[in-house]
Amino acid sequence: AQTVTQSQPEMSVQEAETVTLSCTYDTSENNYYLFWYKQPPSRQMILVIRQEAYKQQNATENRFSVNFQKAAKSFSLKISDSQLGDTAMYFCAFMSQGAQKLVFGQGTRLTINP
Amino acid sequence: EAQVTQNPRYLITVTGKKLTVTCSQNMNHEYMSWYRQDPGLGLRQIYYSMNVEVTDKGDVPEGYKVSRKEKRNFPLILESPSPNQTSLYFCASSFRVGGGGNIQYFGAGTRLSVL
Repeated sequence: AQTVTQSQPEMSVQEAETVTLSCTYDTSENNYYLFWYKQPPSRQMILVIRQEAYKQQNATENRFSVNFQKAAKSFSLKISDSQLGDTAMYFCAFMSQGAQKLVFGQGTRLTINP
Repeated sequence: EAQVTQNPRYLITVTGKKLTVTCSQNMNHEYMSWYRQDPGLGLRQIYYSMNVEVTDKGDVPEGYKVSRKEKRNFPLILESPSPNQTSLYFCASSFRVGGGGNIQYFGAGTRLSVL
């Protein structure tokens, strides 16, 4: 079974700084999908970014980008020019090809300080 | 507006009193799923449904039931709730894509406390 590990339970940075959240996963599959979800205090789960394992190019969405290292099974999220509204719990998630189920990591609580 | 609607948002109940958390989506999605979120464990799948009348167990199904009589609705039933089912529950839905990788849309969550 696939597992996803987020080794940083909490992180805190100053506004406008860049922060990187770590995620590693374990799978024997070659094709799969990886996601980062954001959960602000409202509890809503918001998709931040999605990566297809067969694409070598790292996904980006405005200030959010990933560093996808397939051989190392690592999928980190970089937030540039962090803003107060980025304060949230962040979850890394894995989905097998052909499956619909998301396997989540434990989450990283990120606080952006003014 | 495309959305997944869960009700109630908050619920406090007592051990053994049957309850239902409703979930409805208006996007004509085939796939629907229930997750529970617990501190330090992330979200774990309880049950899922690939389409009407097709449901299956996820990773933590004990103590839960589901049904899928209509495409838009996927209620979660706790027939005899226990304190270890105190958690934050999420319903999610998506199109069923053969290759996978589909983006799932989540409801706003239901905070359940079982006393």
